[in-house]
Amino acid sequence: GESVGLHLPTLSVQEGDNSIINCAYSNSASDYFIWYKQESGKGPQFIIDIRSNMDKRQGQRVTVLLNKTVKHLSLQIAATQPGDSAVYFCAELNDYKLSFGAGTTVTVRA
Amino acid sequence: NAGVMQNPRHLVRRRGQEARLRCSPMKGHSHVYWYRQLPEEGLKFMVYLQKENIIDESGMPKERFSAEFPKEGPSILRIQQVVRGDSAAYFCASSQDEGSYEQYFGPGTRLTVT
Repeated sequence: GESVGLHLPTLSVQEGDNSIINCAYSNSASDYFIWYKQESGKGPQFIIDIRSNMDKRQGQRVTVLLNKTVKHLSLQIAATQPGDSAVYFCAELNDYKLSFGAGTTVTVRA
Repeated sequence: NAGVMQNPRHLVRRRGQEARLRCSPMKGHSHVYWYRQLPEEGLKFMVYLQKENIIDESGMPKERFSAEFPKEGPSILRIQQVVRGDSAAYFCASSQDEGSYEQYFGPGTRLTVT
């Protein structure tokens, strides 16, 4: 079955607000996680990654949090912009295989 | 500095025909991965290839599907005798190093079987 999944399939957010996208995983042995953004008609685009020995990592306008106790990942996007509208996937890497969840569709309201 | 290229971007086949999907990795990359994405789902790993070698095809259906990555030219994912259930987006990714987490994805080929 799926080893990575997302809590909510859709998220609507007001432009300028912060977005939080959640993801649960089941493989406690995974040690590397990645968030991808997929715009319509395009391939997944790397956003940010985190290793299991960390609990937080920050990028430009994005923060990933990892809670290994409850096997939960989240992606926070600060000051959401219209260009952030896309489907967001969390994925875990084991050896060379990426396992993706089903995705959360983020829609930004003007 | 071209990224991963895939062609065709859209492919329509009738049931029973063959589909050939091509992937040219990024320059300097010798590792290729194929993933399939069904509507409303995440990507699923199919196969991992290096030049002239199939490393792992555990995610690929045993029948009708095959993949290759020749010494020269693009990687090819071949689906024989397509059925409606093969309709999906097929993505190729490439990496420079073996087992690298830095997999760069192409734009995908959207296969529609009528």
